[in-house]
Amino acid sequence: EAGVAQSPRYKIIEKRQSVAFWCNPISGHATLYWYQQILGQGPKLLIQFQNNGVVDDSQLPKDRFSAERLKGVDSTLKIQPAKLEDSAVYLCASSTPGLVNTGELFFGEGSRLTVL
Amino acid sequence: SQQGEEDPQALSIQEGENATMNCSYKTSINNLQWYRQNSGRGLVHLILIRSNEREKHSGRLRVTLDTSKKSSSLLITASRAADTASYFCATRYNQGGKLIFGQGTELSVKP
Repeated sequence: EAGVAQSPRYKIIEKRQSVAFWCNPISGHATLYWYQQILGQGPKLLIQFQNNGVVDDSQLPKDRFSAERLKGVDSTLKIQPAKLEDSAVYLCASSTPGLVNTGELFFGEGSRLTVL
Repeated sequence: SQQGEEDPQALSIQEGENATMNCSYKTSINNLQWYRQNSGRGLVHLILIRSNEREKHSGRLRVTLDTSKKSSSLLITASRAADTASYFCATRYNQGGKLIFGQGTELSVKP
């Protein structure tokens, strides 16, 4: 079974530029998550989708971050304009509806962003 | 703010020794999970324990949960160099609620 796919793995940009990350979850997984992991910290949830609807985006900085999951499958996370403090690894994870309550998440390898 | 706090932040042991990591949380939970993250990689689910359970085993892993103290511990027995990674506890405080991660414990197992 293919895992969660993310791209790009690495991205370096100047502050105030924009960047987009892509995620393709495990086939059949209805729930998709984007987490931000700053170096030395645990992952912080940015947004959770159930199919193509947003379940939780309470910690998403909506003035600069946006995310969409138009067809309920793959998802894009965009940052515009980027700030220095956005340097982090952006992790995508997915789970099946039956696992939402039990909670096992399957993570991708992450996209490492460096903002200069 | 993060739900879980982990202790110690870093742990260095010799191969064959046991490693114990602790996690404390602030509010009542539905379940608590442990994940492993190798350097530069994504997180991998290790084990889940529900609020009505006190202990679970999976291979060389043993997890305990004390809801009265709002704490959990992860024990890795007979550690191996391949166990070198960061370990995170994550709590879900209600059914369907979001999963909140702690800061992690960085484990180094020396051959």
